[in-house]
Amino acid sequence: QKEVEQNSGPLSVPEGAIASLNCTYSDRGSQSFFWYRQYSGKSPELIMSIYSNGDKEDGRFTAQLNKASQYVSLLIRDSQPSDSATYLCAVNPYKVGGSNYKLTFGKGTLLTVNP
Amino acid sequence: NAGVTQTPKFQVLKTGQSMTLQCAQDMNHNSMYWYRQDPGMGLRLIYYSASEGTTDKGEVPNGYNVSRLNKREFSLRLESAAPSQTSVYFCASRGPLGNEQFFGPGTRLTVL
Repeated sequence: QKEVEQNSGPLSVPEGAIASLNCTYSDRGSQSFFWYRQYSGKSPELIMSIYSNGDKEDGRFTAQLNKASQYVSLLIRDSQPSDSATYLCAVNPYKVGGSNYKLTFGKGTLLTVNP
Repeated sequence: NAGVTQTPKFQVLKTGQSMTLQCAQDMNHNSMYWYRQDPGMGLRLIYYSASEGTTDKGEVPNGYNVSRLNKREFSLRLESAAPSQTSVYFCASRGPLGNEQFFGPGTRLTVL
């Protein structure tokens, strides 16, 4: 059973701080990694994708990937109360456009940003 | 561009009743998915369709059937609803360039 593990939280940070969300995965062959944000009562929304080792930045969000350690993280700089949500990590074992069509999701980390 | 749409938004069924959840996407995506989400269980794949004309079981297919009606539409049917099928159901489609999936707004189903 390929697994994706996340700390369920809740992770509580003050407004303006850096929130760090972590995810580990068991399939060493995994190639595609995604972070989704899910507000309470809403559907998951894709916020970051990363395919190569290292950092990928998009605005206040940075995704970090370390395939050797089978670890992917999401940093949120200057956290805002509007960032309060559950963050889901998702993994696919193939590269972009590969033939495996399924994502494996972690159970999510609840982030609370306190004003 | 509406993205992925789902109907209905809410539904209450009695045990043994049947219903079909509808999903449509206007992004010309090939692959579509049905998930259920339960507290503490995360998102679990029920069925998926890699392309028009094909469907495959996911992690929790028992009690469900699907139809890929055409490239746009992928429906999920509960033939005889059970209380264990009380959940939030999400439909998703997969973009052509990567493995990202895009989700519909969900259907909240309660089976009494």
